Amino acid sequence: DAKTTQPPSMDCAEGRAANLPCNHSTISGNEYVYWYRQIHSQGPQYIIHGLKNNETNEMASLIITEDRKSSTLILPHATLRDTAVYYCIVRGDSWGKLQFGAGTQVVVTP
Amino acid sequence: GAGVSQSPSNKVTEKGKDVELRCDPISGHTALYWYRQSLGQGLEFLIYFQGNSAPDKSGLPSDRFSAERTGGSVSTLTIQRTQQEDSAVYLCASSYRTGGAEAFFGQGTRLTVV
Repeated sequence: DAKTTQPPSMDCAEGRAANLPCNHSTISGNEYVYWYRQIHSQGPQYIIHGLKNNETNEMASLIITEDRKSSTLILPHATLRDTAVYYCIVRGDSWGKLQFGAGTQVVVTP
Repeated sequence: GAGVSQSPSNKVTEKGKDVELRCDPISGHTALYWYRQSLGQGLEFLIYFQGNSAPDKSGLPSDRFSAERTGGSVSTLTIQRTQQEDSAVYLCASSYRTGGAEAFFGQGTRLTVV
């Protein structure tokens, strides 16, 4: 599976949009982009995933560039409860593990 | 239940003892994963089961660690002759299938080896 690169940390003001970048320049055609987050002392939580098209659900939006070499997770109106480590993961459409990297520590401040 | 269930939620054991950790995946999920997370660290992959295929054991740190999945449902992670460095939160996840399917995680078992 392709490797991902994320900034180690970022801050966001409560109520503002949080834009979390992820680089996956070696992604191949059948690999999906997944986003998970882990709030302190909890198990990871699925947020969203996509292959080529932009995706939106009740939690977030996922914007994937046309060349698929990078993506951005958007939390439209960050709340204090969104403070967590956010993981960007790339995985192919064959069976295999989800490989978590270091992620981005997002801190939402009042 | 609606989610992935892990038991026990906490386990304290003496060094050298064997422990068994249990994971009940979501009904119908064919894929099951085990991870561990040491204090302040990221998630470390341990083992992965998918249907009747041979499991991916590439993440098991030593031969003291083993896991099985009976009947394609419940899984047990066994750690023999526990060491203090085995202290961590052990997380289980399940999903319907790989590729395009989200994994749901349990709340984990916190193992403390004293």
